[in-house]
Amino acid sequence: GIQVEQSPPDLILQEGANSTLRCNFSDSVNNLQWFHQNPWGQLINLFYIPSGTKQNGRLSATTVATERYSLLYISSSQTTDSGVYFCAVAGTTDSWGKLQFGAGTQVVVTP
Amino acid sequence: DGGITQSPKYLFRKEGQNVTLSCEQNLNHDAMYWYRQDPGQGLRLIYYSQIVNDFQKGDIAEGYSVSREKKESFPLTVTSAQKNPTAFYLCASNPLGQGGQPQHFGDGTRLSIL
Repeated sequence: GIQVEQSPPDLILQEGANSTLRCNFSDSVNNLQWFHQNPWGQLINLFYIPSGTKQNGRLSATTVATERYSLLYISSSQTTDSGVYFCAVAGTTDSWGKLQFGAGTQVVVTP
Repeated sequence: DGGITQSPKYLFRKEGQNVTLSCEQNLNHDAMYWYRQDPGQGLRLIYYSQIVNDFQKGDIAEGYSVSREKKESFPLTVTSAQKNPTAFYLCASNPLGQGGQPQHFGDGTRLSIL
């Protein structure tokens, strides 16, 4: 099956800093989603981005499908950005659209 | 509001007992999914269903069972055969169509062993 690797595994930021999270995947995809899991376990949809660039407030994401990677940018980080960020993909060969999750990036934003 | 409702939020299982986790969606989505999350790890797929009365095993189906009698409901039963059931369980759904469609998640159920 499709492999998903996220980096870095852990990230500590001071409030106000910018950061970039990376997601590499091993095959062509027709679904790529970025999620934020908050301390209560809720999985929040950030972006549906199988290709291209999107922005939502202080967050933006870019997927370069031909090179099989996606980047999530966090600008002017706030303590509420703390949590785990997951990248999940579904391969084009999988007609069911099953998502394969990466291991996540644990982000801690300090005041 | 449209969404996915999981219940209960917390569940405790005694040894040898089967328990059922509920997942209901009012988004009119065709496909539904169950994932398991262990501490410090990503999500792994247990079962998924594309249409009523049809479902498929995911990567870690052993010790679990599901049913899909209605489009909006996809309950998961954790059987006594699942020897390590303590985990966070998440249900998801999405519409079907050409290409990918984003999955939407419920708030999860935490299952623990007494």
